[in-house]
Amino acid sequence: TQLLEQSPQFLSIQEGENLTVYCNSSSVFSSLQWYRQEPGEGPVLLVTVVTGGEVKKLKRLTFQFGDARKDSSLHITAAQPGDTGLYLCAGESDSWGKLQFGAGTQVVVTP
Amino acid sequence: ETGVTQTPRHLVMGMTNKKSLKCEQHLGHNAMYWYKQSAKKPLELMFVYSLEERVENNSVPSRFSPECPNSSHLFLHLHTLQPEDSALYLCASSPDSPWSYEQYFGPGTRLTVT
Repeated sequence: TQLLEQSPQFLSIQEGENLTVYCNSSSVFSSLQWYRQEPGEGPVLLVTVVTGGEVKKLKRLTFQFGDARKDSSLHITAAQPGDTGLYLCAGESDSWGKLQFGAGTQVVVTP
Repeated sequence: ETGVTQTPRHLVMGMTNKKSLKCEQHLGHNAMYWYKQSAKKPLELMFVYSLEERVENNSVPSRFSPECPNSSHLFLHLHTLQPEDSALYLCASSPDSPWSYEQYFGPGTRLTVT
C-alpha cells in the first residue's frame, strides 16, 4: 500500500484539451509538492502548498490543496505537447515524518 | 555548472563489477539525498546526508555504500549488484533541514545490471 496514491497512472490527450490529475492520502500532509519529470531528467519542483484549501496558479497549471490537507489536484488548461511528462506529488506528514513520493501520473499530450 | 549534476548518465555493469556514481551540487545546500526510481513505483529514499553526516539509511542493502566527503559532493559506491537493482538513481539536495520541502534533483544515472 502506497502512502500517496496518484491517479490516473497514465493519461493521453490531444493538444488543447484540459486534464486533471489527483494525489490522495489517508494521512494529513503538513506540506505537499508537485514535480514534473521529463524523459532523461530528474524531477523539477513546480509548486509547494501548505494551507488547506489553498489554490496556486502557474500559467496554465492550477494546483489545489484539499481543505483537510489529505488530497491535492493539478489541473492543466489547454494542454500543450510541452506539458508531456511524469507528474509526481510528494508530501510531508507527521505520520511518516519525511518526504514521501507518489508513483506519478504519466501525461502525454499529442499535437 | 549550475544546479545538481550527476555522472555518469548511463552505466551498464555486471554483477561482479564495482562502480561509483557521483553527484555534485552547486547550490550551497547542506543536505543531499540518494533516491532509487523504478518504473511505476514511487521514488525510494535510500540515504540522506546533512552537513556531511548520514542522517538516514533507509534499510538499503550493503551492496550500496554512500560517501559524502563534503557538502557539495555525494557518491554511491556499487558492488556485487543484482539485476533488480537496475533503475534510475537520482541525487537531490535541499537548503538546510534534511526534510526541507524544496528538493532539487539531478538528471539521474540510468543503471543497468547484467
